[in-house]
Amino acid sequence: DAGITQSPRHKVTETGTPVTLRCHQTENHRYMYWYRQDPGHGLRLIHYSYGVKDTDKGEVSDGYSVSRSKTEDFLLTLESATSSQTSVYFCATGRAGMNTEAFFGQGTRLTVV
Amino acid sequence: DQQVKQNSPSLSVQEGRISILNCDYTNSMFDYFLWYKKYPAEGPTFLISISSIKDKNEDGRFTVFLNKSAKHLSLHIVPSQPGDSAVYFCAARASGSARQLTFGSGTQLTVLP
Repeated sequence: DAGITQSPRHKVTETGTPVTLRCHQTENHRYMYWYRQDPGHGLRLIHYSYGVKDTDKGEVSDGYSVSRSKTEDFLLTLESATSSQTSVYFCATGRAGMNTEAFFGQGTRLTVV
Repeated sequence: DQQVKQNSPSLSVQEGRISILNCDYTNSMFDYFLWYKKYPAEGPTFLISISSIKDKNEDGRFTVFLNKSAKHLSLHIVPSQPGDSAVYFCAARASGSARQLTFGSGTQLTVLP
């Protein structure tokens, strides 16, 4: 299994506050992703990175920003948390190459009250 | 508009019988398909995949079938075991993309002893 660590694992925050979730990998994978999981929606892509300082928007990027200053770290920031951002967030990594799978972290449960 | 659809939110099967999970997609650019398994409070784990140049891929008790003309894939689990009880996500990747996966909404499989 790829070494992917998400922190924190659980967080409760108030509406309007900024929140940063961290994803750390030890596998030197080129690609990194942030997904959110919500009932009835499966996993939806928020942002992704295809290299250091190279990021792009996913399907549900509004209200989120990301940064990747090192290969191993990918940060997801909620600029001003809203109740609609209550969700479980998963980080994933992927190797270069055609037919390869993505590896997921354990998830971060975020509650915005 | 969902590009990957899993129309059955849940499925119950008796232990020892076959489990068949289905997935439909709409994007003709998808050329690699994966199944992930997810237990509560854990991240998704890769199960099996298939390239669009194949119509079947087998790994132990798990077989994935791809029907490109119908834009349909299925996962067969034979024989089903109680430990297979989990949420199963179908995912697809488009050629030329940054390896990001598009997921279905998942199917909760319950294998009854």
